[in-house]
Amino acid sequence: AQTVTQSQPEMSVQEAETVTLSCTYDTSESDYYLFWYKQPPSRQMILVIRQEAYKQQNATENRFSVNFQKAAKSFSLKISDSQLGDAAMYFCAFLGATNKLIFGTGTLLAVQP
Amino acid sequence: GAVVSQHPSWVICKSGTSVKIECRSLDFQATTMFWYRQFPKQSLMLMATSNEGSKATYEQGVEKDKFLINHASLTLSTLTVTSAHPEDSSFYICSAAILREIDEQYFGPGTRLTVT
Repeated sequence: AQTVTQSQPEMSVQEAETVTLSCTYDTSESDYYLFWYKQPPSRQMILVIRQEAYKQQNATENRFSVNFQKAAKSFSLKISDSQLGDAAMYFCAFLGATNKLIFGTGTLLAVQP
Repeated sequence: GAVVSQHPSWVICKSGTSVKIECRSLDFQATTMFWYRQFPKQSLMLMATSNEGSKATYEQGVEKDKFLINHASLTLSTLTVTSAHPEDSSFYICSAAILREIDEQYFGPGTRLTVT
């Protein structure tokens, strides 16, 4: 069975600085998707970034980028120029052949002004 | 992007009563809808997957007779919590997707259920 592990329950970053959130996963599949979702206090799930496993190039969305290491089964999220609005719970998620999203336990990110 | 709504956003009910939560895809037809449960400060746990016109598939440990899911149309799925008890109090989130684009799941804003 697939598992997703986020080893950082909480992280803190200064405004305008860069922070990296870690995620590892375990799967025997070769074709899958990986996601980072943001859940602010409103609890609305917001897709931050996605990565197709067959693509070697790391995905980037404005200030958000990932470091996808397929062999190491690692998928970290880098947030550059952190803003107060980035404060939220961040979930890493895996989508494979079952078509079911498997979420990690989440990392609560605080942004200090 | 695609929009998914949930109604109600917050509901309080008495123990022993049933409550229905609606999930609607507003601007697309969702062949598949997912229901999640989230306890405070925890992750999302998938409860069940529903495909339009067929019975829902429940995850292990989820009581199908307690959490009734109906996906009667391509834009509406409902979750009914029957004979609710305080331990059913939680945040329920739905997501919707088109099967051939299952990697694009659109989440509703969630429903907070409190059972007194």
